[in-house]
Amino acid sequence: DGGITQSPKYLFRKEGQNVTLSCEQNLNHDAMYWYRQDPGQGLRLIYYSQIVNDFQKGDIAEGYSVSREKKESFPLTVTSAQKNPTAFYLCASSISAVSYEQYFGPGTRLTVT
Amino acid sequence: DQQVKQNSPSLSVQEGRISILNCDYTNSMFDYFLWYKKYPAEGPTFLISISSIKDKNEDGRFTVFLNKSAKHLSLHIVPSQPGDSAVYFCAASPLRGNTPLVFGKGTRLSVIA
Repeated sequence: DGGITQSPKYLFRKEGQNVTLSCEQNLNHDAMYWYRQDPGQGLRLIYYSQIVNDFQKGDIAEGYSVSREKKESFPLTVTSAQKNPTAFYLCASSISAVSYEQYFGPGTRLTVT
Repeated sequence: DQQVKQNSPSLSVQEGRISILNCDYTNSMFDYFLWYKKYPAEGPTFLISISSIKDKNEDGRFTVFLNKSAKHLSLHIVPSQPGDSAVYFCAASPLRGNTPLVFGKGTRLSVIA
């Protein structure tokens, strides 16, 4: 089945630790995106990548880092510099950077205490 | 500055009646609009879209209307069903030029049996 996988579904970390969220797609899509969802805030763009080995900051990139070494994979690292890391994180992909429709993964709920 | 606004955080509708979800945008460069549906702890799924060259698009129980002069679009669901209870996100895309979708904050629809 083609799709986007995010693992794990739930993740718990202590404050001060970096944590990496996984996102893999087998849709052969060029573009990939990371969003964060908080109650009442909608979907806010963290980073996006239009092609392998290239990525751009979104609206709330501070405290996050990404890499895009493979077309299928776009991991997101939540660093200790992120002030409020507890959130629901969503990964998405689209056929290309100029394709309108994005396909979303199931999300990862990160809780930092 | 919010470019896509969903001013109603929540909406309750009786089963069988019409649900109308509204979305306003400020950027006149947007030329494609999408609605996504999201259940708790899941990723959003694409519902319906409309191009700026049209003023209406219909898919089964779902119809999206676009009023370009008012920079307003709406999603009509009729008849509403309990399974429609979810958060609905409006999204807009600028002219093709490799810019990610811009999302509204979402409207939580509750369909009461």
